Amino acid sequence: AQKVTQAQTEISVVEKEDVTLDCVYETRDTTYYLFWYKQPPSGELVFLIRRNSFDEQNEISGRYSWNFQKSTSSFNFTITASQVVDSAVYFCALSEMNSGGYQKVTFGTGTKLQVIP
Amino acid sequence: DGGITQSPKYLFRKEGQNVTLSCEQNLNHDAMYWYRQDPGQGLRLIYYSQIVNDFQKGDIAEGYSVSREKKESFPLTVTSAQKNPTAFYLCASSTGKWTNEKLFFGSGTQLSVL
Repeated sequence: AQKVTQAQTEISVVEKEDVTLDCVYETRDTTYYLFWYKQPPSGELVFLIRRNSFDEQNEISGRYSWNFQKSTSSFNFTITASQVVDSAVYFCALSEMNSGGYQKVTFGTGTKLQVIP
Repeated sequence: DGGITQSPKYLFRKEGQNVTLSCEQNLNHDAMYWYRQDPGQGLRLIYYSQIVNDFQKGDIAEGYSVSREKKESFPLTVTSAQKNPTAFYLCASSTGKWTNEKLFFGSGTQLSVL
């Protein structure tokens, strides 16, 4: 069965500090995708990144970077030089095909990040 | 602009009452989903629909019902059988056909019990 674990419930950092959000997943499939979504106070989840199970290259996008390690089933997210606008709830998610041939997405419990000015 | 519209933003339910949450999308997506969000529990799947006139139960379907009569619309009814309905409800959509599809979300409905 699919499972996504985000052990950090809440994190507080002071502005300009770096912060890493952890994500550990479980799956029996060999083909899957991992996602990170951001949920600002407005409520709507916004897509940040996706990674397929065959691509373990790390990715950097501005202040954001992602570290995918298949050996440890982890897909961690780092924000460098955090800003107040980064304050949000961040969700890690795992996407696979279900037995009916359709996409099934499982979300973690989310990590609430508060960046203090 | 293409997107997902959820209404109302806030909804109050009296005991024993059924309430319906609206979700409309103009992204031409086949798949639509309803998630429930509770503090500390993340997003849990209530129902999903891959095609018009078809839908499947998710992980926490008890006390909820849905319909999918049109591609654009996927309303969720919270019935009186749902004893703890207070939560934030999110609707999402995707093409549903590929594992790499990102989900598009609405801005959510906060349901509270009077």
